[in-house]
Amino acid sequence: NAGVMQNPRHLVRRRGQEARLRCSPMKGHSHVYWYRQLPEEGLKFMVYLQKENIIDESGMPKERFSAEFPKEGPSILRIQQVVRGDSAAYFCAGTEQGNHGNTIYFGEGSWLTVV
Amino acid sequence: QQQVKQSPQSLIVQKGGIPIINCAYENTAFDYFPWYQQFPGKGPALLIAIRPDVSEKKEGRFTISFNKSAKQFSLHIMDSQPGDSATYFCAAGSGGSNYKLTFGKGTLLTVNP
Repeated sequence: NAGVMQNPRHLVRRRGQEARLRCSPMKGHSHVYWYRQLPEEGLKFMVYLQKENIIDESGMPKERFSAEFPKEGPSILRIQQVVRGDSAAYFCAGTEQGNHGNTIYFGEGSWLTVV
Repeated sequence: QQQVKQSPQSLIVQKGGIPIINCAYENTAFDYFPWYQQFPGKGPALLIAIRPDVSEKKEGRFTISFNKSAKQFSLHIMDSQPGDSATYFCAAGSGGSNYKLTFGKGTLLTVNP
């Protein structure tokens, strides 16, 4: 997983609560990518962040979802007023230089269940 | 609109068999095609990847075949083992950064002993 650390691994929230998912890339890396995997689906790109900057948020839902990557500390994906449809696995990823340029490596994921 | 179509949805083979998973894409701008393996409760792990300038790539027991004109690519697993039982995802990306991958819906592979 290229040293990408995510927590919590599992999170249960009631409808209307907030969910915060954290991601720390490999030491020295300043980019993170968030993907979402709905049940029985492939992963879908959400957002690309560098330290203190959102580079590409084209996959983020327009409402209730936000992401940040502060100068210090982990990247945080925040989901406000969660609904049942937010139940999914959320993966953070980093990149490493490989044979085909930068290659995406995923963390172990955070599984969100909304009850 | 699903830009990467993966089939079959599930596949069962006997140990030693050669499962084949197929993917087709629509966007001709795609120029990077990785395959990921995912075990239950884990993150997807990169298995093998190919670019359109070659038609085949082998790494160990895993082979990607690529047909640029048909916009199709497939994963073959030689001498499959029960430990290969997992969900396999094809994906496609474009541009030098390869960070914005479009994934297929996955194939659940079961290899029976």
